[in-house]
Amino acid sequence: ETGVTQTPRHLVMGMTNKKSLKCEQHLGHNAMYWYKQSAKKPLELMFVYSLEERVENNSVPSRFSPECPNSSHLFLHLHTLQPEDSALYLCASSQVHPEAGELFFGEGSRLTVL
Amino acid sequence: AQSVTQLDSQVPVFEEAPVELRCNYSSSVSVYLFWYVQYPNQGLQLLLKYLSGSTLVKGINGFEAEFNKSQTSFHLRKPSVHISDTAEYFCAVSDWNNNDMRFGAGTRLTVKP
Repeated sequence: ETGVTQTPRHLVMGMTNKKSLKCEQHLGHNAMYWYKQSAKKPLELMFVYSLEERVENNSVPSRFSPECPNSSHLFLHLHTLQPEDSALYLCASSQVHPEAGELFFGEGSRLTVL
Repeated sequence: AQSVTQLDSQVPVFEEAPVELRCNYSSSVSVYLFWYVQYPNQGLQLLLKYLSGSTLVKGINGFEAEFNKSQTSFHLRKPSVHISDTAEYFCAVSDWNNNDMRFGAGTRLTVKP
């Protein structure tokens, strides 16, 4: 496989469930990102991992918990979500050293919270 | 911190007509600028980017953009659009290490026959 792969593509969960989103990149990049895309709103940067260390956490509620076990994999663990968390969650990767390049995005995981 | 404003939320245009999608940014440091396109049920893919050098940047699918530092703008243009260009277009600005890439709210381009 090439590029950035996200699974599952669609997820429906209740407010008391625990689920995880998975992202894998096959581009040899050293940074990975989670973005939230809601209708009519700009993409919201949630988390950034650079060289496997979290470098950005934009005041995201603790019901979202990221994990980056290595430079190729990124997870977003979800628990006790709210209906307003329903959105498209996009994973991206990039090279940040020695110079930043563009972000490469996965196709997203469409999350619906009932 | 950087920010991006896309001035039009929707742009309808007829096939083969020219189009311009407007983007203004604000930043206190040197920036990198990007345009991404998102087709239905897909992630974002890069159209073009400005890192340094020539202010006129050419991208894929016949799109180009011009970096204007004095007006803090990075407008996207195409001289003749196709039906297949119907999509959502996002302008983005980043600092040197991509730790804080900010996106605009998007412009929905609809090309009509």
